[in-house]
This record gives sequence, structure tokens and C-alpha cells, in this order.
Amino acid sequence: NAGVTQTPKFRVLKTGQSMTLLCAQDMNHEYMYWYRQDPGMGLRLIHYSVGEGTTAKGEVPDGYNVSRLKKQNFLLGLESAAPSQTSVYFCASSYVMTLGFEKLFFGSGTQLSVL
Amino acid sequence: GDSVTQMEGPVTLSEEAFLTINCTYTATGYPSLFWYVQYPGEGLQLLLKATKADDKGSNKGFEATYRKETTSFHLEKGSVQVSDSAVYFCALILSYNTDKLIFGTGTRLQVFP
Repeated sequence: NAGVTQTPKFRVLKTGQSMTLLCAQDMNHEYMYWYRQDPGMGLRLIHYSVGEGTTAKGEVPDGYNVSRLKKQNFLLGLESAAPSQTSVYFCASSYVMTLGFEKLFFGSGTQLSVL
Repeated sequence: GDSVTQMEGPVTLSEEAFLTINCTYTATGYPSLFWYVQYPGEGLQLLLKATKADDKGSNKGFEATYRKETTSFHLEKGSVQVSDSAVYFCALILSYNTDKLIFGTGTRLQVFP
């Protein structure tokens, strides 16, 4: 059972470079999310998707773009990386988000450093 | 605004010691509460949850009780093991906005033999 797979696991960028993080889930989940984790700040929601072809902004969307062209994939793009985007990025998915909801499934994270 | 506050870590314990990690929340409405655990090099995993006041969530020897009167959801374990070393996150979902999970900052637990 693959669950939620994130690629790459590590990446180092120079300021101004672009890159795309890929999240893939094989559980047929409707909801997918991108979070960033920073020391002392917990997880903060960047963008999320409630279904194929839809995306929405979370708490900290600036500097990021996302796409959900296929239900199983959720891409996070950085068009022009900045040092402030150095963080650990987590993707998650769920079938539905309601009270008593089915648990979120998280990927193992991507460590991104922007120099 | 809606938020979750956890005790700062790291929490350092010897094996078989009693664990408490404090978590309090601020929220309008009636949130559901969760504890997630992140083991080294892995993603977050749901540890336990409680969806209404006085509910007790439990899993792997960990427990937490949803206390509406004190707006708390403290995590406890009677006897920790080295394998419990991880970062623990308290989180909530607001009943009126179920698209977002609000996390606390995380508490690192280190258990030594």
C-alpha cells in the first residue's frame, strides 16, 4: 500500500529558481492538501483541493501555485523560490472532511532549502 | 482567532515515566480535536481523536480527554517507551469550516533508556 507519495524528498534551490513538488495518492481520495512545517509554527495550509480540477487557497498561499489535473495527483509549484520558502512540505489526502472524519493520510515530507 | 496552543518542548523522560503534553484551544463553535504523531523521517500520523465534549480518545497506550470547560485536550501515557520518541501535534477542526485542520506548533518528546 503506497498511500501518499511525495517526490522529491530533498531539494536545494537557488533564489529565483523554480520547481514542482509532486504528491500522488492511490486511495481515490477527493481532498488533497499542501502544508508547510516551520520550526515553532506548526503546520500551515498552503493550498488545498476538494476534487479533480479544483483548488483553493489556504493560510499561506503567496508564492505558490497548485494544480489538480488528475484526482490522484496534486502539484505544488514555486515559480521563483525565495529563502523564506525554506521549509518541510507535507502533502495529505482524505476521502472527506467532516466531523468524525476519516483520518488524513500524510506523505513523508519534502525538505526544501532555498539559498 | 481559532488556534491551538501546546507546551513547548523538548520533553525529556526516562523509559517507563508518565507523560503529559498539554494542549489548549480557542475556537468558536464545537471543534473536533486530534493528536498527530510524527516519527523521525516520517509524515504525520493520526494518533487519536475526540469529536465532542467529555469524549476520550485512546490509541497505543496514549489517552486524551476533550474538556470543554477548560478548553483542553492533554495527551497522557502511563509508561513511555524509547519508541515513543517523536513530535506530537495537537490539532482541531472547526465544525463550521471542515476544510482546514488547525495545528499546534508541536512538542518534541525524547525518551531515554
